[in-house]
Amino acid sequence: EDQVTQSPEALRLQEGESSSLNCSYTVSGLRGLFWYRQDPGKGPEFLFTLYSAGEEKEKERLKATLTKKESFLHITAPKPEDSATYLCAVQVGGGSQGNLIFGKGTKLSVKP
Amino acid sequence: DVKVTQSSRYLVKRTGEKVFLECVQDMDHENMFWYRQDPGLGLRLIYFSYDVKMKEKGDIPEGYSVSREKKERFSLILESASTNQTSMYLCASSRTGYYGYTFGSGTRLTVV
Repeated sequence: EDQVTQSPEALRLQEGESSSLNCSYTVSGLRGLFWYRQDPGKGPEFLFTLYSAGEEKEKERLKATLTKKESFLHITAPKPEDSATYLCAVQVGGGSQGNLIFGKGTKLSVKP
Repeated sequence: DVKVTQSSRYLVKRTGEKVFLECVQDMDHENMFWYRQDPGLGLRLIYFSYDVKMKEKGDIPEGYSVSREKKERFSLILESASTNQTSMYLCASSRTGYYGYTFGSGTRLTVV
C-alpha cells in the first residue's frame, strides 16, 4: 500500500535555529512529490514540486530535496512567520492513481 | 491570481439538515476534489471528479454526495448532516497530469 509518513509530528524552534522536516514514502512509481504550507484555519498553499531524485528547489528560507525514498524540507534561520503546518504529498500514477496521497503534516512553531 | 473559491468560511447547521458546500475554480482545471481535514487524521478524500457530470468515490464517501454540472463548479452535499460530520472541508482543483492541487480556503462546518 502506498504510504507517506512525515516526521516529526511537531517541531519547536527558536528564531534562527535551522532544521529539517522529513517526508518518507513507500510508493510504486513516484510521479511527483509536493510540499504545501497550511496556516491555521486556511487551505494548504503550494510550495514546491519535485519530480526526480537529486532535484532541489528553494524559496526564501525553504529548500526542498528529494531522494528515492524521502524528501526533506530544510528551513534555514526560521522566523516566527514560518510557523505553520507543512504537508507533503506524493503522486504515483494516472487516473485515480494520480490522486495525491498526503502525509499528516509537521506542525512547526518558531519562537522569537 | 488563480483561485479556488469556497462559498462559506464558517457554517453552523443542525442535525438532519441537508447541507450544500459550493466550490468554484477559475483555472479551467479538469479535476476537482473534496477533502475533509480532522486533527490527527490528516486530509481524507471524500469525492473527486475528472470531468463534468463525472464523479468517483474517495476514501470516505459515506454520508456525502457531489454534483458537477459545470466544469468550474463542484458541490458537496451532506444529505442529512450529523455531528460526526463536523470538520474542515477543503476543495481543490488540478490540471490533468502530474501537477499539484490548488486548494480553497476551506469551510469550517459545525453540526449541532
